[in-house]
Amino acid sequence: GAVVSQHPSWVICKSGTSVKIECRSLDFQATTMFWYRQFPKQSLMLMATSNEGSKATYEQGVEKDKFLINHASLTLSTLTVTSAHPEDSSFYICSASLNSGPQETQYFGPGTRLLVL
Amino acid sequence: AQSVTQLGSHVSVSEGALVLLRCNYSSSVPPYLFWYVQYPNQGLQLLLKYTSAATLVKGINGFEAEFKKSETSFHLTKPSAHMSDAAEYFCAVSQTSYDKVIFGPGTSLSVIP
Repeated sequence: GAVVSQHPSWVICKSGTSVKIECRSLDFQATTMFWYRQFPKQSLMLMATSNEGSKATYEQGVEKDKFLINHASLTLSTLTVTSAHPEDSSFYICSASLNSGPQETQYFGPGTRLLVL
Repeated sequence: AQSVTQLGSHVSVSEGALVLLRCNYSSSVPPYLFWYVQYPNQGLQLLLKYTSAATLVKGINGFEAEFKKSETSFHLTKPSAHMSDAAEYFCAVSQTSYDKVIFGPGTSLSVIP
């Protein structure tokens, strides 16, 4: 089946630094990828929709200048948390859409746990 | 707009007992509905999904869910709980099988030996 990977799986950084998280579709091309955030003991909230070759669409309340999304190829989307602060500590999960054929569905990555000190 | 509610943020069942996790949805278009499970400190695993093919959907690990349009519900059941079923369960809705997913608040399932 289709697989989505994320790198790194966890990261600890100092406040004020930037962190890049990669999301890759390993065996299919994904024109659309999504980024979600999950705070402890809470549900997943959609942050943004990433379309290959175009600007990402951010959900209301998500700062586009803080959470930079780049979808430069059909198999890779990156989320950069700029000037990270402790309140950005969260579990970030990406998903990639396979929107053709009998297996069309959305595949989730394993998540990246970010801790900002 | 689409949304999901899950009645009961925490459910406890005895091992071997019936598991029933409730989900109600709101959607202005025919919905695609999903149940995901998340084990502690892990990502999401798809249990099952409804895509209008059949109202009773069978998933992995013995779970199934029934789509009831008249009740706007998609409750998840399992006849006999196992200790390994203890996890967080999320009901979710989407406009297609590959579009962005709107998650419910989640239900934490505990299984008592």
